[in-house]
Amino acid sequence: ETGVTQSPTHLIKTRGQQVTLRCSSQSGHNTVSWYQQALGQGPQFIFQYYREEENGRGNFPPRFSGLQFPNYSSELNVNALELDDSALYLCASSLKTIAGGDRKETQYFGPGTRLLVL
Amino acid sequence: GEDVEQSLFLSVREGDSSVINCTYTDSSSTYLYWYKQEPGAGLQLLTYIFSNMDMKQDQRLTVLLNKKDKHLSLRIADTQTGDSAIYFCAEKGSQGNLIFGKGTKLSVKP
Repeated sequence: ETGVTQSPTHLIKTRGQQVTLRCSSQSGHNTVSWYQQALGQGPQFIFQYYREEENGRGNFPPRFSGLQFPNYSSELNVNALELDDSALYLCASSLKTIAGGDRKETQYFGPGTRLLVL
Repeated sequence: GEDVEQSLFLSVREGDSSVINCTYTDSSSTYLYWYKQEPGAGLQLLTYIFSNMDMKQDQRLTVLLNKKDKHLSLRIADTQTGDSAIYFCAEKGSQGNLIFGKGTKLSVKP
């Protein structure tokens, strides 16, 4: 158990709808990263939030957006859902320090939210 | 560019050793990771290695890093049926993200 929780576990939506996925980070962590894992593929980086601001973004369109709250939990919002958005959405929490140093920042993953778009 | 490659399948017999291989492209990666994913589950961190190390051992797991060839391997000694899963190699990207391979599906036969 990593202490990272996600909700809901499963979700079915139709094309064009909007969805919000939630993630609670591990206690003591200040950074949340979101990944999309399509069937048979490795996870792809969507974006990362650090201290309530977006801190990096992968190759995903603007209809993928996020938030991080003062308690470091996070939301992933996807607008105008497309069939190809069907995937397992994973969040990972880590501790980023100002000193940076070796930047280990080991990421611990939640169980994921499986989204099906019909 | 940043890319990670892995072979897709590996089949071994229970009790044998498993070796899963990975190549990566970003020579500036400081940390490299191995994660395990069981069916329908999230990713479990197995181990990691810092780029100034050649080898790291953790119980049944041994990680070997050849930085010159950008090659990483994970050896699982005495492989058990419970080790059947998909194993992902990952390198740390420039944005603090993880860059994953497509995963190696390990099947362990009794």
